[in-house]
Parts: sequence; C-alpha cells; structure tokens
Amino acid sequence: SAVISQKPSRDICQRGTSLTIQCQVDSQVTMMFWYRQQPGQSLTLIATANQGSEATYESGFVIDKFPISRPNLTFSTLTVSNMSPEDSSIYLCSVKRGSGNTIYFGEGSWLTVV
Amino acid sequence: GESVGLHLPTLSVQEGDNSIINCAYSNSASDYFIWYKQESGKGPQFIIDIRSNMDKRQGQRVTVLLNKTVKHLSLQIAATQPGDSAVYFCAENPPSGTDKLIFGTGTRLQVFP
Repeated sequence: SAVISQKPSRDICQRGTSLTIQCQVDSQVTMMFWYRQQPGQSLTLIATANQGSEATYESGFVIDKFPISRPNLTFSTLTVSNMSPEDSSIYLCSVKRGSGNTIYFGEGSWLTVV
Repeated sequence: GESVGLHLPTLSVQEGDNSIINCAYSNSASDYFIWYKQESGKGPQFIIDIRSNMDKRQGQRVTVLLNKTVKHLSLQIAATQPGDSAVYFCAENPPSGTDKLIFGTGTRLQVFP
C-alpha cells in the first residue's frame, strides 16, 4: 500500500481565512487527486493534480476557491480559500500506487469552519 | 473522532453472520471498481477491487460481485466481526483517461454481538 501523509490532520478555522493542506506520498506518482467529503456524505472529486501542469477541476469547483500546487512527483497542496462554514469537510488526497495500480487515500484533513 | 455517514443507509448484522452490501453504479462504460471501508475518524481504506472483464473476485473474507447487465456491485463479508463495523463505499472509474473515481452514497455496517 502507499504511504500518504496529510497535514494538518484536523483544524478549526475562522470564516474568511484560508488554509493550505499538504499531501506527501512515499514514492513518485503521476497523478494526485483531491476529494472532499462533507459531513454525512460520500466523496466528491475536487481536482486532479499533475506535476508540471495546472490542475484539472471538476464541475462545481474553481481554482480561485481551491488553488492547487504540484511542485514535484511526491507532493501536492490544496488551499481552501475564504472559508465559510459550508467548507467544513474532510479533504482527502488520493494516488494510484502498487503492482495492482490500486487507488489509495490519505487519512484526510478534517476542517471545521466557525 | 467525528462520525462519517450519519444519514447513510444502515445494515445491521449479528457477529458471525455474512453481510452483503449493495451498490448501483452509474456509468455502463466504467471498467474498474473498488470497495472502500471508512472507520470513524479515518480515511477510506482499500478493501478489494474488480475489473469489468470479471464478474467475481475473492479476497480474505470478502468477495466482490459485478453484474454489468444491471450496473450492480456487491460486497460480501463472511463471518462478520465487530471490527467490520464502518461505512462502506463503492467507487467506479469511468473511462475518463484518468484514475478519478465516482463514489456511491455509502452504507453503514453495524455488527452486534
């Protein structure tokens, strides 16, 4: 399995502020994915992050709200900008790894906006 | 830790019984499917996967069945244990040229003694 580390693991944020979440993988991967899981809900893809190019955002998500960086093949950041209580969610990083090309998730960053 | 899936469908089973969790997927062209287990306060944990050229795959105590005709996926857990209590999600990989996943709504499995 892949080792995917996310920071912070949880945080309480003031509305109107921004928070950057980091995702570190234990080996090089081409694509990294950012998902959101709102309380009591399933996971929804925010964007796909490839190294050396701009992230590709899914419908309903925009770069101004969720800017993403992918400076190298083992690291990515997701920023949640100008937060409101509706942004309270778990934000999850995901990669494909291993001989079976399995898709793994980090433990998530649990954000509460007050 | 925080609870996940407070309003999800719930399956309650007795310890030792077999569990069957069902999922309907959306895209008939999806060619890869995964089941994840999410315990409270944790990220999704890979359980088992299956490709569209198969209709059954077995792991340790788990079996995934794929019925492409009706776009249905199921996860069978044998001899369910208290540690199996969690929310279970199915996910499909549509033919998008990437590895992005579309997740089902999830099912909470509760195991009682």
